[in-house]
Amino acid sequence: KQEVTQIPAALSVPEGENLVLNCSFTDSAIYNLQWFRQDPGKGLTSLLLIQSSQREQTSGRLNASLDKSSGRSTLYIAASQPGDSATYLCAVYAGNQFYFGTGTSLTVIP
Amino acid sequence: GAGVSQTPSNKVTEKGKYVELRCDPISGHTALYWYRQSLGQGPEFLIYFQGTGAADDSGLPNDRFFAVRPEGSVSTLKIQRTERGDSAVYLCASSEGRGQPQHFGDGTRLSIL
Repeated sequence: KQEVTQIPAALSVPEGENLVLNCSFTDSAIYNLQWFRQDPGKGLTSLLLIQSSQREQTSGRLNASLDKSSGRSTLYIAASQPGDSATYLCAVYAGNQFYFGTGTSLTVIP
Repeated sequence: GAGVSQTPSNKVTEKGKYVELRCDPISGHTALYWYRQSLGQGPEFLIYFQGTGAADDSGLPNDRFFAVRPEGSVSTLKIQRTERGDSAVYLCASSEGRGQPQHFGDGTRLSIL
């Protein structure tokens, strides 16, 4: 069964710092990988989706990379802002479902 | 609609009761997914619909759980004889097709007393 792990579980940084969130998965036979943001009491907001044939995707201050063979993905956030504070979830699509990690809780301190 | 809509947003009921949770997907999205999220955990897959049929229901925990999507749009997740362990946030997502970006609703927070 696919297992997805996210490190660190929680992260606190001062405003303006660049940061990296890590995601690893055990089975490289994935269709794609998606990064989500979740605010308290809310559903998930899609940030970036990387197809299995791609190496990275960029959107604004966000950059996600994928190394399928090693089972790793990173989400890079540039120039962090207090509004970036949320839980970030990584999910890999395999079979008919997404397998989610437990998330990284990010706090950006003004 | 503009996004995935889930109702009710909160549901509190007693152990042993029957509950129905509703999901209105984005118009035109053929794929619909149900997930369950416990506190501090990532969502766990329950069931996937492609059109009207359940293409994969391998995540349903037991036969107390059932879901339907009779017209290929709105879906209802049904839980019989609820137990306290069923308490969680139930999330619905839709996409244009299998493996396409999923768009999530805000979920239904279910509490079984």
